[in-house]
Amino acid sequence: GENVEQHPSTLSVQEGDSAVIKCTYSDSASNYFPWYKQELGKRPQLIIDIRSNVGEKKDQRIAVTLNKTAKHFSLHITETQPEDSAVYFCAASKNRGDKLIFGTGTRLQVFP
Amino acid sequence: NAGVTQTPKFQVLKTGQSMTLQCAQDMNHNSMYWYRQDPGMGLRLIYYSASEGTTDKGEVPNGYNVSRLNKREFSLRLESAAPSQTSVYFCASSPDGGQPQHFGDGTRLSIL
Repeated sequence: GENVEQHPSTLSVQEGDSAVIKCTYSDSASNYFPWYKQELGKRPQLIIDIRSNVGEKKDQRIAVTLNKTAKHFSLHITETQPEDSAVYFCAASKNRGDKLIFGTGTRLQVFP
Repeated sequence: NAGVTQTPKFQVLKTGQSMTLQCAQDMNHNSMYWYRQDPGMGLRLIYYSASEGTTDKGEVPNGYNVSRLNKREFSLRLESAAPSQTSVYFCASSPDGGQPQHFGDGTRLSIL
């Protein structure tokens, strides 16, 4: 079955710097890749997603890139702010009707 | 617009007691999911229901049962609670599999 690996498990950056979180997946049939942000004590919330027919997607300071050949995708956060501090999860799934497989999460800390 | 509603928000049980966690969504979604989240373990899928009338095991189904009561509601039952089931439980829904999932606020369950 699908396996999603996420790195790093923790990431500390200075406010204003960029942060990059990487995920690899095992099933080449996967075609949907969302990213979730979970603040302490809160529910996970979708922040951006990408499908396999697109190589990159951007939404203000957040971008996701996908390399289907290498089977990896990355989350890029530019101009980080303290409110970006949270745990970020990547996930992957195949076609309609399939479940999401989540990575183990990255705890991002942004220091002022 | 309530989204995904979970009840209760907190519960303390004694070992061996039974408990049903309730989840309801008002977005007319076909697919619903139950996850558990333990420190450092990310989100692990317990059971999911791709559509009304179907349920399937996820990654960690042992000790749990589910019921897709109708399109809106998906309940999770612990028949004989064990301390290892102490966790935060999240319910989620999506229009179909392979699409963005919307999470409830979680149920914090402690088993003594």
